[in-house]
Amino acid sequence: DVKVTQSSRYLVKRTGEKVFLECVQDMDHENMFWYRQDPGLGLRLIYFSYDVKMKEKGDIPEGYSVSREKKERFSLILESASTNQTSMYLCASSSGGSGQPQHFGDGTRLSIL
Amino acid sequence: AQSVSQHNHHVILSEAASLELGCNYSYGGTVNLFWYVQYPGQHLQLLLKYFSGDPLVKGIKGFEAEFIKSKFSFNLRKPSVQWSDTAEYFCAVSPYNQGGKLIFGQGTELSVKP
Repeated sequence: DVKVTQSSRYLVKRTGEKVFLECVQDMDHENMFWYRQDPGLGLRLIYFSYDVKMKEKGDIPEGYSVSREKKERFSLILESASTNQTSMYLCASSSGGSGQPQHFGDGTRLSIL
Repeated sequence: AQSVSQHNHHVILSEAASLELGCNYSYGGTVNLFWYVQYPGQHLQLLLKYFSGDPLVKGIKGFEAEFIKSKFSFNLRKPSVQWSDTAEYFCAVSPYNQGGKLIFGQGTELSVKP
């Protein structure tokens, strides 16, 4: 069974801090994704990656960056956290192309004070 | 722009009632379609998927969905819901040749009264 592990379930940070969210998958998947989930808005794609050291912007990349140095790990970085980045962050991974389902982690609930 | 629309934000049903959740998407090309479910406190799980062939697909826990290409719709159905179906349901579309990227709807929260 695919396991996608996010480093923290809950995180509280202060405005202006640099924040790192980590995600690791154990199935050798090529694709990895970061979403944020907000009530009434569903999941919105922040960034995704098809391979090591490759990244693509999603629908809402502003204020975020990502890093994929190893195939199994995909990090989301908030360069200077702001209160409007308080949200639930979900990581997912998948193999192959458009037909493959994504497998999700448990999420990180991030609060920016 | 590509988008997915779920018609109902919150649905409340009694046990044994029938369920239909609407999902429409805007994209003119070939797509793969998914329904995911998120039970309280748990991660998103795949409920069912459509790739090609029979437009009526069956998923886990008695759920099914029908792809109607002419209506750009992929509605989720269950003949008789249970209290344990209380969850949030997300429709998602994966446009062909976009590398597995998913576009999600806003979600529908289902509450089933015992």
